[in-house]
Amino acid sequence: EVQLVESGGGLVKPGGSLRLSCEASGFTISNAWMHWVRQAPGKGLEWVGRFDSETRDGTTDYAAAVKGRFSISRDDSKNTVYLQINGLKAEDTAVYYCTTMWTGLDYWGQGTPLTVSA
Amino acid sequence: SYELTQPSSESVSPGQTARITCSGDVLAKKYGRWLRQKPGQAPVLVIFKDTERPSGIPERFSGSSSGTTVTLTISGAQFEDEADYYCYSAADDNLIFGGGTKLTVL
Repeated sequence: EVQLVESGGGLVKPGGSLRLSCEASGFTISNAWMHWVRQAPGKGLEWVGRFDSETRDGTTDYAAAVKGRFSISRDDSKNTVYLQINGLKAEDTAVYYCTTMWTGLDYWGQGTPLTVSA
Repeated sequence: SYELTQPSSESVSPGQTARITCSGDVLAKKYGRWLRQKPGQAPVLVIFKDTERPSGIPERFSGSSSGTTVTLTISGAQFEDEADYYCYSAADDNLIFGGGTKLTVL
């Protein structure tokens, strides 16, 4: 059974950094595209970035709004994808989800909440 | 850049049919998907590849596609179907989302 479990969210001061984790089970992340999506309070879903599968050289891409501050990486030994966020801003306050498409079906985690506030 | 447009709200009476549309040029060449999200909960996939229903999703949920529009249909809506519904697709290997439709069952 495919599962995605996010963790690492919390309360962080503006300007700080945080690393969110997405631990996968039921498939190998190196064979899948992994995406991060966020949802600010009361708002819709916003794509943040992705980490390509090995067949696509494991490249990354990011939404324009976060490029330069967000970084996605992968630890194959832990079957985990990470989202590093630097220079946190109040507008980064959101629930962060990871999602993947595996064997034609989309899977979503339960999300991890991040609040940026002084 | 691609965009997906869906109505901000729809309403349906219990037992009636609800239809939520999602339009965008990308849907002419990429599959549409639908998520259901209840307050305080994570999104749940209800339709993928335009028309496919994941296991565990009730048969009253169906999807269709025509040109640049995909439609989510809930036949015989129930009170428990009241939720926000988001369409999304993969464009240039990224994900794009519609703004969401709040479905009210009353």
